[in-house]
Order: sequence, then C-alpha cells, then structure tokens
Amino acid sequence: EDKVVQSPLSLVVHEGDTVTLNCSYEVTNFRSLLWYKQEKKAPTFLFMLTSSGIEKKSGRLSSILDKKELFSILNITATQTGDSAIYLCAAMEYGNKLVFGAGTILRVKS
Amino acid sequence: NAGVMQNPRHLVRRRGQEARLRCSPMKGHSHVYWYRQLPEEGLKFMVYLQKENIIDESGMPKERFSAEFPKEGPSILRIQQVVRGDSAAYFCASSPLQGQDSPLHFGNGTRLTVT
Repeated sequence: EDKVVQSPLSLVVHEGDTVTLNCSYEVTNFRSLLWYKQEKKAPTFLFMLTSSGIEKKSGRLSSILDKKELFSILNITATQTGDSAIYLCAAMEYGNKLVFGAGTILRVKS
Repeated sequence: NAGVMQNPRHLVRRRGQEARLRCSPMKGHSHVYWYRQLPEEGLKFMVYLQKENIIDESGMPKERFSAEFPKEGPSILRIQQVVRGDSAAYFCASSPLQGQDSPLHFGNGTRLTVT
C-alpha cells in the first residue's frame, strides 16, 4: 500500500532556531514530492520536487528530494512565530493523485 | 485570479440527512480533486474529476458518496444519509492539466459536522 511517513509528528522550537522536517515515501508510479503548509484552512503550496539532489528555496524555506532513498526534507531557518503550522508532505502519482503524510505540527515560541 | 472556492465553509447535518459540498476550481483549471481530512489525520484522496467525467474514484466510499463536475457550474460532492463518521474537513483542489508538473491548489475546505 502506498504510504508517506513524516517525522517528527510535532516539534516546539524558539524563534530563530532552524528546523528540519522529514518525509519518506513508498508510492508506486511516483512522479513528484510536494510540501504544503496548513494553518487553519487551506493547505498552501510550498514546493514541488521532481528531480533528485536539486534544492529548491523560497526565502527561509528550502527543500530537497532524494529519489534513491525515497526521502525529502524541508528546512526552515531563522524560524518565526508565523511559521507555526502543520507541514504536509505529499507524494504525487501519475494522474496527479496525492498521497499525504499525517503532517508535522510545528510550534515556534517567541 | 480567485483561488479554489468552496462552500459552505461549515455545514451541520443531522444523521440521515444529505450533505452537498460545492467547489469551483481556479480560473482556467479543468481538473478537480476531492480530499477528506479526519481529525488528527492527513488528507486522503477521494475522487478526481474532469468536466463531465470521473477519472478516478478509488478513494470514494462505495455507498452514500457521489461526485460530479458538470459542464457548467461547480463540482459537487454529495453525501447521502450522513453518519457521525462522515464528520471531517473536505478539501477540493484543482489543477490546470494532467500529465504535466502542476501542483494542486486547495480551497479552504468545508467542515462537515454530523450531529
């Protein structure tokens, strides 16, 4: 059965800390790995990774995919309270179907 | 460019009633996906539709649930004879094209509560 596993399940850090969120996947017909940030409503798109070893960056966030190890990480540097959210990892199969992990709950304390 | 629009935001139904959830995709998007998020769980795929076609309904419960995306108007997810276990957040997503690297963009969801 297809599955996506995220770790840790939850994390509490102080402002300014750097965090690394992990995502491993076992999905047939894998196409891409996506990261979303979910606050109280819609998951908002962060990154889509299709190729191994190419880091994608957006401000303080970055992500990379390892297709050999079936693994991705999301890094957030200099965390701020506004980064507090659930971070969702999803593996996209052909047909655009997403298999989601359970998410990592990040809380950044001021 | 408006995002994916879902309504209602909140829906309360008594057991046995019907629930209708609506989703209008982003402008220019012709593919719609429905996901369900149960408390403390990740999003689970339910169904993938194009205009007037169901492409993949492998995640839909076999009974009581149906979905459509008519030529005109929003996509509808319909749950008949709701039960307490149907209480969840239902998210709709859209994308412009299949077969290309296009991420899904989600709406704000409909939170269904069955009393």
